[in-house]
Amino acid sequence: DGGITQSPKYLFRKEGQNVTLSCEQNLNHDAMYWYRQDPGQGLRLIYYSQIVNDFQKGDIAEGYSVSREKKESFPLTVTSAQKNPTAFYLCASSPSYNEQFFGPGTRLTVL
Amino acid sequence: AQKVTQAQTEISVVEKEDVTLDCVYETRDTTYYLFWYKQPPSGELVFLIRRNSFDEQNEISGRYSWNFQKSTSSFNFTITASQVVDSAVYFCALSEGSGNQFYFGTGTSLTVIP
Repeated sequence: DGGITQSPKYLFRKEGQNVTLSCEQNLNHDAMYWYRQDPGQGLRLIYYSQIVNDFQKGDIAEGYSVSREKKESFPLTVTSAQKNPTAFYLCASSPSYNEQFFGPGTRLTVL
Repeated sequence: AQKVTQAQTEISVVEKEDVTLDCVYETRDTTYYLFWYKQPPSGELVFLIRRNSFDEQNEISGRYSWNFQKSTSSFNFTITASQVVDSAVYFCALSEGSGNQFYFGTGTSLTVIP
């Protein structure tokens, strides 16, 4: 089946640790995105990539890093520099600006 | 400034009532796209509709309908005869023709009471 997968669904991290969230798509989309969702704040863009080996910061990139070595994969690392990382993280991909397709999300909790 | 405003934070209706979710957007581009997404409790965003800036025809899909008015920069979403399964958070979004970013509103949480 075509789609976007995110793993894990739930993730727990100790304060001060880096953690990487996985996002894979088999839709052959060029563009991929990472969003953070906090209660009552909608979706905020962290990073996006329009092509392999290239990515741009979104509105809240501080404390996060990404890589885009393959078209299918766009992992997000939440570093210890992110002050308040507990949130719901959504990955999306897009063939163009016409539409974005979303994965099921990863809920990250910092203990 | 917010590019997409959803002024209604939470709405509750009784089953079978009609409900309209408001969306107001702001852009200087002449080419742009507007979207509505549904986010059920599971968390995944489900695409509902896309409308481009050159198509102001209203659209109806079953119990869902959308009213796009460029004159008021609004793209409102109406659910007719609401059902409990419609309970979710609904997001309006804007994509400008000049870029690849999507701008999301803060969402409207709809609760349909049986």
